Amino acid sequence: EVQLLESGGGLVQPGGSLRLSCAASGFTFSSYPMSWVRQAPGKGLEWVSAISNSGAGTYYADSVKGRFTISRDNSKNTLYMQTSSLRAEDTAVYYCARDVRKYAGSYGVDVWGQGTTVTVSS
Amino acid sequence: QSALTQPASVSGSPGQSITISCTGTSSDVGSYNLVSWYQQHPGKVPKLMIYEVTKRPSGVSNRFSGSKSGNTASLTISGLQAEDEADYYCSSYTSSSTVVFGGGTKLTVL
Repeated sequence: EVQLLESGGGLVQPGGSLRLSCAASGFTFSSYPMSWVRQAPGKGLEWVSAISNSGAGTYYADSVKGRFTISRDNSKNTLYMQTSSLRAEDTAVYYCARDVRKYAGSYGVDVWGQGTTVTVSS
Repeated sequence: QSALTQPASVSGSPGQSITISCTGTSSDVGSYNLVSWYQQHPGKVPKLMIYEVTKRPSGVSNRFSGSKSGNTASLTISGLQAEDEADYYCSSYTSSSTVVFGGGTKLTVL
């Protein structure tokens, strides 16, 4: 079964950091571009970041650029998001998601994890 | 990057067809056939319904279809059913090598 399982969320003070992880199983992880998408409480979806299947290409929303770093370890089938300088507006459920297409990607994501909640508050 | 524009809500009766629009710019929707649509029921994970403007993932009902004209993409749901009631989001690749989502549309089945 194709599966994504996020972890690493929690309560953090403004200015703090968290490392989110996403463990993939049931598919050839190294073939697919991956993304992080977040959803603030009661709000819509917001694209955060994406990474190519090899890890060579990384892309960020302006709202997180310079504060978040996406990475992947294809040997461990794991996607990461290192967050820093967290703000109240970063409070959201963070979803890990797989691109529907291998390699070049389609920027549509067809497999989603259940999400991990990040709460930034003092 | 500004969010794509979607109507806040649409409604229809069972059996009818509805269309949700998604308006962007020449830097996103207008320039790339990389528009996707997602369905999200309350408390659930989003589900991909359409990708690359018109393509349906396996398992998605053929009652769902996508199209694009200029800077506006559309999702049409035909033969509306009660279980179609959900929030719908569009997204598009952009010229900045990012992805932008729409604000979401709440579909009510009357």
